[in-house]
Amino acid sequence: KAGVTQTPRYLIKTRGQQVTLSCSPISGHRSVSWYQQTPGQGLQFLFEYFSETQRNKGNFPGRFSGRQFSNSRSEMNVSTLELGDSALYLCASSLPIYGLAGHSYEQYFGPGTRLTVT
Amino acid sequence: GDSVTQMEGPVTLSEEAFLTINCTYTATGYPSLFWYVQYPGEGLQLLLKATKADDKGSNKGFEATYRKETTSFHLEKGSVQVSDSAVYFCALSDWNTGNQFYFGTGTSLTVIP
Repeated sequence: KAGVTQTPRYLIKTRGQQVTLSCSPISGHRSVSWYQQTPGQGLQFLFEYFSETQRNKGNFPGRFSGRQFSNSRSEMNVSTLELGDSALYLCASSLPIYGLAGHSYEQYFGPGTRLTVT
Repeated sequence: GDSVTQMEGPVTLSEEAFLTINCTYTATGYPSLFWYVQYPGEGLQLLLKATKADDKGSNKGFEATYRKETTSFHLEKGSVQVSDSAVYFCALSDWNTGNQFYFGTGTSLTVIP
């Protein structure tokens, strides 16, 4: 099976612009999560989509948005870019696993998109 | 709320040394626990997992045991190699909170020959 793919791998944008990142999950995975990773803040959860609906959301401003399509592919959009948005953006697709108290998920990550805002 | 605390790095070890990276968690439900590894310039890779108390996850010589009584999931390897140099993340997924994952801050490991 192919892994999680993210495009593009690298992006350079200017402050004030907007950007769209794409993620294709592993075939059969219906859940996609997005994370921002920076040296200062570490790994921060942005949002999760399941069956085209946002199921969880992290603590990010409204400039960060996402969506999921019927084929489970997902996009995230950042509008009015700021210098602080420079980061590695990671996408993960999820497979349910069954533990003692019910099901949870394990996540498989893509290679990330490195966004640099100048 | 749920959270994961892992030991601060960076950690530097000589090749063939024993590795322990501590991880403790707080969860409202009965979580599944994970270790992920991130090599430079790459995304996170699932290293091992455990879904119930006393389960031992293992992969590539790494092991971690789900200890409910101490809410811990420490990562160990008996003999590290230079190729193990990476950042290691402890994480939990709690059925109570759906699919939201909680990650630790990551521990950077450097293994010197």
